[in-house]
Amino acid sequence: AQSVAQPEDQVNVAEGNPLTVKCTYSVSGNPYLFWYVQYPNRGLQFLLKYITGDNLVKGSYGFEAEFNKSQTSFHLKKPSALVSDSALYFCAVRDMTGTALIFGKGTTLSVSS
Amino acid sequence: EAQVTQNPRYLITVTGKKLTVTCSQNMNHEYMSWYRQDPGLGLRQIYYSMNVEVTDKGDVPEGYKVSRKEKRNFPLILESPSPNQTSLYFCASSEQGVTPEAFFGQGTRLTVV
Repeated sequence: AQSVAQPEDQVNVAEGNPLTVKCTYSVSGNPYLFWYVQYPNRGLQFLLKYITGDNLVKGSYGFEAEFNKSQTSFHLKKPSALVSDSALYFCAVRDMTGTALIFGKGTTLSVSS
Repeated sequence: EAQVTQNPRYLITVTGKKLTVTCSQNMNHEYMSWYRQDPGLGLRQIYYSMNVEVTDKGDVPEGYKVSRKEKRNFPLILESPSPNQTSLYFCASSEQGVTPEAFFGQGTRLTVV
């Protein structure tokens, strides 16, 4: 069965420091991986996705993610965190049939000024 | 503006009183789905629809119904709500296939007392 794990419930970083939100996956076949962000009282917003090709994917708001096939990881990164990046982040993998996104449990990112 | 619109945003109801949460998308997407979000569990798929008149169960369909009579609309129906259906609900739409990202509505926070 396909699954996604986000090992950290919360990540705390200081503004201006680099941030990493971790995600590991388990799939049979090619992984189609996504990151979404959820701000308070808002829906999920798409950040970026990995389909194929370059292992470093760039997305919205200065975020990027590094796909590592050998470690089955897809960590979200940003070189310099902003207070406004504070939100709930979800990693997801598309299931083999394409009919569902399988989500991790989410990681709360808190950026302090 | 491309969007997925859910209504209502907030709803408090009593056990057993039928309710419908509406979802509409303006992107002509074939694929639509419903998720519920619960703390510590991430998002779990309730039902999905591949196109008009084509619907199927997701991971947690018990207690829910859906219909897809028009391409743009995908309402979620709770025939007899129970307190364990208190949750945050999201509607999503996307193009068909494994690579497209999903677009999410703003969410509906449902409380069943």
